[in-house]
Amino acid sequence: NAGVTQTPKFQVLKTGQSMTLQCAQDMNHNSMYWYRQDPGMGLRLIYYSASEGTTDKGEVPNGYNVSRLNKREFSLRLESAAPSQTSVYFCASSEASWDSSYEQYFGPGTRLTVT
Amino acid sequence: AQSVTQLDSQVPVFEEAPVELRCNYSSSVSVYLFWYVQYPNQGLQLLLKYLSGSTLVKGINGFEAEFNKSQTSFHLRKPSVHISDTAEYFCAVSGGYQKVTFGTGTKLQVIP
Repeated sequence: NAGVTQTPKFQVLKTGQSMTLQCAQDMNHNSMYWYRQDPGMGLRLIYYSASEGTTDKGEVPNGYNVSRLNKREFSLRLESAAPSQTSVYFCASSEASWDSSYEQYFGPGTRLTVT
Repeated sequence: AQSVTQLDSQVPVFEEAPVELRCNYSSSVSVYLFWYVQYPNQGLQLLLKYLSGSTLVKGINGFEAEFNKSQTSFHLRKPSVHISDTAEYFCAVSGGYQKVTFGTGTKLQVIP
């Protein structure tokens, strides 16, 4: 039971290049999320998917696109990378538990640098 | 709308001393409150959560938090910290839906 996995762990891009960050979970969760973490700003939600086939914008969606490929996988794409997108990206998943809370389970993160 | 404020960005504390990490929230609906911990170069993991009932919540690694509705606070405490508690701690609030709002984090530095 791997939980939430992310690839790659590290990536360096040049301005204008594109890439896709991959995320997969094996907990059969319906909801999945993409966050970015920047110093002093905590975690900010980029996009989330409440269930397979649906996606919604979060707090900072500009410059990103997402695909909920199936229940397990949720990818984040940067079409034309900018230095402002240098960050650590976390994928998470959740499911309503018996107490109706949505405890989130996080992946190990992807450290992206855009030069 | 919901929001979380963690006023202390860094808290240094000596080993075996007590610590309190402060969190205040605002929400227009009933809330679920969480504390997550992030060890260096890792993702976040849940420390504890408050949903309803007793206002004192116990979590893993000897941490506890107290929900105070009148002060809209959910402070995290530990009576005696260990070097291994050095990490960043995030308070978070949810209105019972999938979306969770995180605070900006507090870095706990335990000094030997």
